[in-house]
Amino acid sequence: SQKIEQNSEALNIQEGKTATLTCNYTNYSPAYLQWYRQDPGRGPVFLLLIRENEKEKRKERLKVTFDTTLKQSLFHITASQPADSATYLCALSGAGSYQLTFGKGTKLSVIP
Amino acid sequence: GAVVSQHPSWVICKSGTSVKIECRSLDFQATTMFWYRQFPKQSLMLMATSNEGSKATYEQGVEKDKFLINHASLTLSTLTVTSAHPEDSSFYICSANLGGVYSNQPQHFGDGTRLSIL
Repeated sequence: SQKIEQNSEALNIQEGKTATLTCNYTNYSPAYLQWYRQDPGRGPVFLLLIRENEKEKRKERLKVTFDTTLKQSLFHITASQPADSATYLCALSGAGSYQLTFGKGTKLSVIP
Repeated sequence: GAVVSQHPSWVICKSGTSVKIECRSLDFQATTMFWYRQFPKQSLMLMATSNEGSKATYEQGVEKDKFLINHASLTLSTLTVTSAHPEDSSFYICSANLGGVYSNQPQHFGDGTRLSIL
């Protein structure tokens, strides 16, 4: 069955450093990979989408990579700030499919 | 743009009660909406896909008679948890995207409904 693993349940990082979160998947060939941010008691908020034929995507301090050979995506937040503290979810979908399969998320804490 | 509103945000009720949750797309039309359930420290699990004007599509293991979905307009889908029991306590979240059922456009989520059954 399809499986998505986000490397760690929690990650603590010092303010100003780069946070790197990992999303690995098995038994899946996704056409799209998305990253969402979820704050406690709130719904997820979309951050970035990357397609299978794209290696990297950037948006302000965010960067996502997608390696279909390694079946892995890396999500980077540069110059991290306490306001970046949240749970980050990766989600995959196939070509022509609207359904998103989510990982459990990584809770990021940026320490001042 | 692309705002999804969910109501209520929090419900506490007695076992056996039926609870209705509303999901509205405020500034766009959504022919398709999605309902998820999230348990603490778990991933969002898709429960069903709500289709305007037709029957919802339920994921395997989700009881359609337990979780009634109605999508009567292009901006409103409702999820009714019938005869709720403590094991139905969870965080229910709806979403919609701009492109509809076959689109890989990002999904826009409501803020969720925390359901607690006593």
